[in-house]
Amino acid sequence: DAMVIQNPRYQVTQFGKPVTLSCSQTLNHNVMYWYQQKSSQAPKLLFHYYDKDFNNEADTPDNFQSRRPNTSFCFLDIRSPGLGDAAMYLCATSRPRQGVETQYFGPGTRLLVL
Amino acid sequence: KQEVTQIPAALSVPEGENLVLNCSFTDSAIYNLQWFRQDPGKGLTSLLLIQSSQREQTSGRLNASLDKSSGRSTLYIAASQPGDSATYLCAVDYGGSQGNLIFGKGTKLSVKP
Repeated sequence: DAMVIQNPRYQVTQFGKPVTLSCSQTLNHNVMYWYQQKSSQAPKLLFHYYDKDFNNEADTPDNFQSRRPNTSFCFLDIRSPGLGDAAMYLCATSRPRQGVETQYFGPGTRLLVL
Repeated sequence: KQEVTQIPAALSVPEGENLVLNCSFTDSAIYNLQWFRQDPGKGLTSLLLIQSSQREQTSGRLNASLDKSSGRSTLYIAASQPGDSATYLCAVDYGGSQGNLIFGKGTKLSVKP
């Protein structure tokens, strides 16, 4: 089945130790989004790729970076995780205005910072 | 500022009840409105999408309505079941080419057997 896959599902890192979260998709969608979601909060868009074009949200800290080496894969890099970065990180894909208006989400990666 | 609000934050009902979840948005110039379901510790699953020109959409026991002029949408769940227990999120697309969504915080629904 076509889907959005996130690895790992759970990630434990130490304060200040770089971490990379992975997302892959078999849907061939041109847009990939990264969200941060804290408990009982709305998903907060960090950035997204429209094809190869990177679009950063204005309030996303510089500590968060992303890479999209090809259509199928997208990575979220946290350069120096702080305790406040502990959250669920969600990847989503879509093909807006080209027939796929909703977003398809992966299962998320739960990040714990010690 | 474009904001999406969902009330109540949590709702507990006995099995079999019909229920309504509410969503309001501050800017009525929407492109579409979407309802998602999120199970604990999981990603989001799309339930219904209503285009700005539509008044409602139905899928099984779910019915979503849209009133753009008042900035409101409701999600109606008929004959609720324990398996419906989850958090329901409303999200608004304002029509940018990138398809960005603005989410509400969700309503956490618990259906008791």
